[in-house]
Amino acid sequence: AQSVSQHNHHVILSEAASLELGCNYSYGGTVNLFWYVQYPGQHLQLLLKYFSGDPLVKGIKGFEAEFIKSKFSFNLRKPSVQWSDTAEYFCAVKSGYSTLTFGKGTMLLVSP
Amino acid sequence: DAGVTQSPTHLIKTRGQHVTLRCSPISGHKSVSWYQQVLGQGPQFIFQYYEKEERGRGNFPDRFSARQFPNYSSELNVNALLLGDSALYLCASSYDRREQYFGPGTRLTVT
Repeated sequence: AQSVSQHNHHVILSEAASLELGCNYSYGGTVNLFWYVQYPGQHLQLLLKYFSGDPLVKGIKGFEAEFIKSKFSFNLRKPSVQWSDTAEYFCAVKSGYSTLTFGKGTMLLVSP
Repeated sequence: DAGVTQSPTHLIKTRGQHVTLRCSPISGHKSVSWYQQVLGQGPQFIFQYYEKEERGRGNFPDRFSARQFPNYSSELNVNALLLGDSALYLCASSYDRREQYFGPGTRLTVT
């Protein structure tokens, strides 16, 4: 069975700081990778996805993620966070037509 | 286009009761998946339906069941509710079973 590990459960940053959230998965075959975000009081939204091709993918709101196959990693980055980025971030993995396997999530708090 | 809709938004039930949660997918999406999200955890997969057939089942007891209707909407049923069933239940729809779009969820509280 697949598993997804998110390294930090809570991250606190000041505005304009750079962000990197770690994500590692266990499955060794072909995978689809996702980052979802859940803003306070809102539902899960797709931030970005990787299916194939360029391992550096860009998502909404200035987020990007890099797929490193040799490290089984898909880390999320943003050069300069804003207060409005305060949310919970979930990494998820999918192989073939299987369903999504989520990590436990990282709560990001950005202080103004 | 409307996104994934779920009803009800909140529900309070007593142990031993039965609950039915409903989901309407995005128009044109034929796949619906159900997830359970408990506080502090990521969503956990319960069921996936595609073209009205069950295509996947997570590690949940037989008290959990689901179905998909001809219009692709779906119901999740939970029998003999336990306190541990208290959670946010999420529905996600997909056109091609790859990229999933989530609804707002139903918050179930079992007392």
